[in-house]
Amino acid sequence: GQNIDQPTEMTATEGAIVQINCTYQTSGFNGLFWYQQHAGEAPTFLSYNVLDGLEEKGRFSSFLSRSKGYSYLLLKELQMKDSASYLCAVMDSNYQLIWGAGTKLIIKP
Amino acid sequence: ETGVTQTPRHLVMGMTNKKSLKCEQHLGHNAMYWYKQSAKKPLELMFVYNFKEQTENNSVPSRFSPECPNSSHLFLHLHTLQPEDSALYLCASSQDEGGTGELFFGEGSRLTVL
Repeated sequence: GQNIDQPTEMTATEGAIVQINCTYQTSGFNGLFWYQQHAGEAPTFLSYNVLDGLEEKGRFSSFLSRSKGYSYLLLKELQMKDSASYLCAVMDSNYQLIWGAGTKLIIKP
Repeated sequence: ETGVTQTPRHLVMGMTNKKSLKCEQHLGHNAMYWYKQSAKKPLELMFVYNFKEQTENNSVPSRFSPECPNSSHLFLHLHTLQPEDSALYLCASSQDEGGTGELFFGEGSRLTVL
């Protein structure tokens, strides 16, 4: 079967750095997405990785290793507004999105 | 308005009621989706429409009935639901189905079935 694993919940301190991991086993691979979802709001797109390596976008970076079936989302200089759920999703060989259950990130002052 | 708009934002219904969820996208996209989001579970794809044609029905019970009159509007008709159907129902759109473009989500309709 196809599976996406990510931690259920993480806690970090304002101003610090946090890394949210995502591991996947899917039938083929056509890219990996990260979405952010604040409580009661729509998920919004953060990043897309299809090649190995690190993609940086401001305070957020996303890394992919296809050989290891592994990705992480790195958030730097954490702000209170970064408190949200972070969803990892992989597009399989049929271009179907397989979703993880999401990681709830709690930022403390 | 821009983006993806869903109404109503909250809905409470009994098991014998009939109600509908509405989604409208103002992005000129060709594909629209219904997802179910339950606490601590992955998003579940329910239906996909591409150019108004249904291309995916992910083994969804018949008490959920989608309708897509045009590329901008999507409905989810609900009847004789069960308490376990209580969840957040998210509508999304993308430029085309199956591409590697991002999904644009609405804020969801929170459904409670009594």
